[in-house]
Amino acid sequence: EPEVTQTPSHQVTQMGQEVILRCVPISNHLYFYWYRQILGQKVEFLVSFYNNEISEKSEIFDDQFSVERPDGSNFTLKIRSTKLEDSAMYFCASSLLQGRNTEAFFGQGTRLTVV
Amino acid sequence: AQSVTQPDIHITVSEGASLELRCNYSYGATPYLFWYVQSPGQGLQLLLKYFSGDTLVQGIKGFEAEFKRSQSSFNLRKPSVHWSDAAEYFCAVGAGGSQGNLIFGKGTKLSVKP
Repeated sequence: EPEVTQTPSHQVTQMGQEVILRCVPISNHLYFYWYRQILGQKVEFLVSFYNNEISEKSEIFDDQFSVERPDGSNFTLKIRSTKLEDSAMYFCASSLLQGRNTEAFFGQGTRLTVV
Repeated sequence: AQSVTQPDIHITVSEGASLELRCNYSYGATPYLFWYVQSPGQGLQLLLKYFSGDTLVQGIKGFEAEFKRSQSSFNLRKPSVHWSDAAEYFCAVGAGGSQGNLIFGKGTKLSVKP
């Protein structure tokens, strides 16, 4: 069964460092997403990506964040200068279509710890 | 504002007992509703979804959920819980725009006693 895969499963980084979280969406999907979950809080939307550009982003997705689809398979989230409050579980998701009634398929998450 | 509330942070049930996880939503238009499960070390897996039609929807792993518009609820149920059901369960409503395609609740952690 096709699945979304994320690497690494856990990343520890020092405050101020850049991190890149990687995702391989399901191969025929067209829409890609990043969500995050700070410990004890809700899963929150960060950004959606379609046709090689950002289609929507939340208030959380500020200038320190960027996304890229560098090749035909990977989808990355870069945090330029990490802060302690960026510590969270980051989920990548993909979907074939877009819309409120679309099922998104999620990866297992990358736990980012900023120290 | 659109939101999803899961009032129970943690629930413990005995194996074989029935289960109901509560979910309330606030959404201005017709809601599209989802339940996801996250087992330890796993991603978010879709259990079931409601778009329209029959308000009682069946999902995987023996789960079902009932949409009640009058109560703005979409509670998840299972008649007999198995130890492997121990996980975190997330209710979500399909959104759009800058809220992303899904608005999630905080999740309910389910523990199962032998």
